[in-house]
Amino acid sequence: QQQVKQSPQSLIVQKGGISIINCAYENTAFDYFPWYQQFPGKGPALLIAIRPDVSEKKEGRFTISFNKSAKQFSLHIMDSQPGDSATYFCAASQNNNDMRFGAGTRLTVKP
Amino acid sequence: DVKVTQSSRYLVKRTGEKVFLECVQDMDHENMFWYRQDPGLGLRLIYFSYDVKMKEKGDIPEGYSVSREKKERFSLILESASTNQTSMYLCASMELSRGLYEQYFGPGTRLTVT
Repeated sequence: QQQVKQSPQSLIVQKGGISIINCAYENTAFDYFPWYQQFPGKGPALLIAIRPDVSEKKEGRFTISFNKSAKQFSLHIMDSQPGDSATYFCAASQNNNDMRFGAGTRLTVKP
Repeated sequence: DVKVTQSSRYLVKRTGEKVFLECVQDMDHENMFWYRQDPGLGLRLIYFSYDVKMKEKGDIPEGYSVSREKKERFSLILESASTNQTSMYLCASMELSRGLYEQYFGPGTRLTVT
């Protein structure tokens, strides 16, 4: 049973559009929520991360929104570009000793 | 640059064989992880280690064991490979950087058990 539930499984967005990927968790002990980006043939790489003491974090075109009471967090990619086409994973960890990942979202940005 | 290397990119083994997957990191990280990645299931944690000779079970440890005799090396062992262990295996190490805990992944080993 996956500790972090991610949706949608795949997403197709037009260039310039907004991509939104959602994640939910149950374990309230999780205290760190990163997003990873994976290109074909490569391992995942950290994109952006948030701790539960803030509700939003923005880095360039990428924003994490965090709702502690709903136990949900989401990734927004503004002005999506074809180069953003990749698989995105949300994750959560407790005490930084482990990391649980969502099932992944395959994003395709059409030119 | 952090480097995490895995001993093989592709591996084909027979059912019942003992399989060793090696992972080495060059940044003196304490925490290391083994995941398997399957379509639609994402990355599932098999084992992790937060120090030499220390190991903790993840979500799917059955059929696997690990070894961490040196800080830089974390090995995943399939005692008796089965076809349902055909998967992509990813190793990662983790460090605190800019206030964030970042995992660095190796390129993965695609294991096929026939």
